[in-house]
Amino acid sequence: KQEVTQIPAALSVPEGENLVLNCSFTDSAIYNLQWFRQDPGKGLTSLLLIQSSQREQTSGRLNASLDKSSGRSTLYIAASQPGDSATYLCAVKWTSGSARQLTFGSGTQLTVLP
Amino acid sequence: EAGVAQSPRYKIIEKRQSVAFWCNPISGHATLYWYQQILGQGPKLLIQFQNNGVVDDSQLPKDRFSAERLKGVDSTLKIQPAKLEDSAVYLCASSQGGAESDTQYFGPGTRLTVL
Repeated sequence: KQEVTQIPAALSVPEGENLVLNCSFTDSAIYNLQWFRQDPGKGLTSLLLIQSSQREQTSGRLNASLDKSSGRSTLYIAASQPGDSATYLCAVKWTSGSARQLTFGSGTQLTVLP
Repeated sequence: EAGVAQSPRYKIIEKRQSVAFWCNPISGHATLYWYQQILGQGPKLLIQFQNNGVVDDSQLPKDRFSAERLKGVDSTLKIQPAKLEDSAVYLCASSQGGAESDTQYFGPGTRLTVL
């Protein structure tokens, strides 16, 4: 079964700290992987999309890496700020099986303390 | 550019009642998605439309859920009758062409509570 797992479910860090969020997936035959941000009462916002042929993507203070062979992706947030507090979701689109679907992890709820 | 609009934002009903949600995608977006997000979980795709045709409804509980996208623009999702386990946030998303690399844009969701 194709699954996406995110551990831990919640994380608290002091402002200014660099942090890493983890995502693992069960099938390495992926098409792409996306990281989303979800704020309370709001929809999801796409942060970064990594194609299967790529190893990483960067946007501002965010850097996402992809290691298909180990079935892992990480989202690195540099110099965290209270405004980064949100739930971060990882989603995978596979090349077979549920090929047209995004399969989401359960997310990591991040709290950045001032 | 206006985002994906959804209404209502909140709905409370009793079990066995019916409920309907409405979604207006970003103008010009051909593909529309309905997701169910249960508290503490990631969104799960219920149905995907390409224009007004269904692309994937494999995870839609068809005995109680139905969805339509008349004229390939707005969409409605209906639950009849509702069960307690249907309590969730229902998210609508849209994308331009349905290509594998298309970015999906999400609406704010409708939070449904079934008592």
